[in-house]
Amino acid sequence: EVQLVESGGGLVKPGGSLRLSCAVSGFPFRSYTMNWVRQAPGKGLEWVSSISPSSRYIYYADSVRGRLTISRDDAKNSLYLEMNRLRPDDTAVYYCAREPDSSGTVFWGQGTLVTVSS
Amino acid sequence: SDELTQPPSVSVSPGQTARITCSGDGLPNRYLYWYQQKPGQAPVVVIYKDTERPSGIPARFSGSSSGTTVTLTISGVQAEDEAAYYCQSTDSTGTWVFGGGTKLTVL
Repeated sequence: EVQLVESGGGLVKPGGSLRLSCAVSGFPFRSYTMNWVRQAPGKGLEWVSSISPSSRYIYYADSVRGRLTISRDDAKNSLYLEMNRLRPDDTAVYYCAREPDSSGTVFWGQGTLVTVSS
Repeated sequence: SDELTQPPSVSVSPGQTARITCSGDGLPNRYLYWYQQKPGQAPVVVIYKDTERPSGIPARFSGSSSGTTVTLTISGVQAEDEAAYYCQSTDSTGTWVFGGGTKLTVL
């Protein structure tokens, strides 16, 4: 059974930091590009960042570049998102999601809530 | 442009057909995915690669493509189909691009 389990969310003050984790099981993690996607309360989905196998290609949305850092540990089957200089508009549920395979299957976690507020 | 445009809302009565469009200049060259998201839940793919339906998704969900517009069609809408629907494609680097989402209301 495929599982993606996010953790690390919580309440943080503006300017603060958090580290999100996504523990993966059920598929060969090292072979897939992984993504972080967020959803602000009552808003739509926003792609945040992606990391390819071997961390060869890393991309960020303009809204987070320079403040958020994506990484992966293939030995631990884990994806991370280091979040610094957080702003109130970073408040959202953060999902980790795997790229589609040849059958079109895309796996998402259940999300972790990050709230940036004083 | 890699932007994807969806109507904010669509309303239909039970048993009718709902059509949700997604428009983008890059769509003729990229595959499109459709997600269904119900409140408090993670998104679920209902159509992939423009027209393909994952196993477990009811046959009333279908996708079609014409030029720069891709359409999600839900035939014989049921109350349980009320949800937000998002289209998603990729840009030239392969990173994900989402449409703004369409709230489907079943009257």
